[in-house]
Amino acid sequence: AQSVTQPDIHITVSEGASLELRCNYSYGATPYLFWYVQSPGQGLQLLLKYFSGDTLVQGIKGFEAEFKRSQSSFNLRKPSVHWSDAAEYFCAVGGSNTGKLIFGQGTTLQVKP
Amino acid sequence: DAGVIQSPRHEVTEMGQEVTLRCKPISGHNSLFWYRQTMMRGLELLIYFNNNVPIDDSGMPEDRFSAKMPNASFSTLKIQPSEPRDSAVYFCASRLAGTDYQPQHFGDGTRLSIL
Repeated sequence: AQSVTQPDIHITVSEGASLELRCNYSYGATPYLFWYVQSPGQGLQLLLKYFSGDTLVQGIKGFEAEFKRSQSSFNLRKPSVHWSDAAEYFCAVGGSNTGKLIFGQGTTLQVKP
Repeated sequence: DAGVIQSPRHEVTEMGQEVTLRCKPISGHNSLFWYRQTMMRGLELLIYFNNNVPIDDSGMPEDRFSAKMPNASFSTLKIQPSEPRDSAVYFCASRLAGTDYQPQHFGDGTRLSIL
């Protein structure tokens, strides 16, 4: 069955520290992978996507993610976190030709000053 | 460019009342999705449309929920009668259909409270 797992429900990092949010997926075919961010009271905003080519993709707000097929992972990284990055982050997988996405449960990021 | 527009942003109503949520997708997008988000269940896909036609409504919780897309620029999600357990944030998203790498673009949601 298709699924997305975000193992960390809640992460706290200090401002300026590096960040890595984990995402593991289960998908039978070539996946299309997405990371979204949701700030309180807002909808989901696309950070980045992967569908082919270079396995390291750059997104908005200084985020990047690396697709590792052998590990079925698509982890999100940022070298230096800002207080404004505090939000909930969702990993999603698609590719069934329907446009449907399967979302992970989300990881809440808290940033300490 | 205008994003996905949802209205109202907040709705508070009493149990048993009819609730109608509205969505205007991004112009030119031909797929539209309705989601529900709760703390307990996370983000759930309720229904989606391609070219105004409902394709998969398997996520609609029960017959009290219905959705329509009368044209390419408007969709509604209706709950009748509403119940307290319907309280959630409802999101609409749209995308350009045709390839799976086209991302979904989300509105800011409607926060629904049923008393």
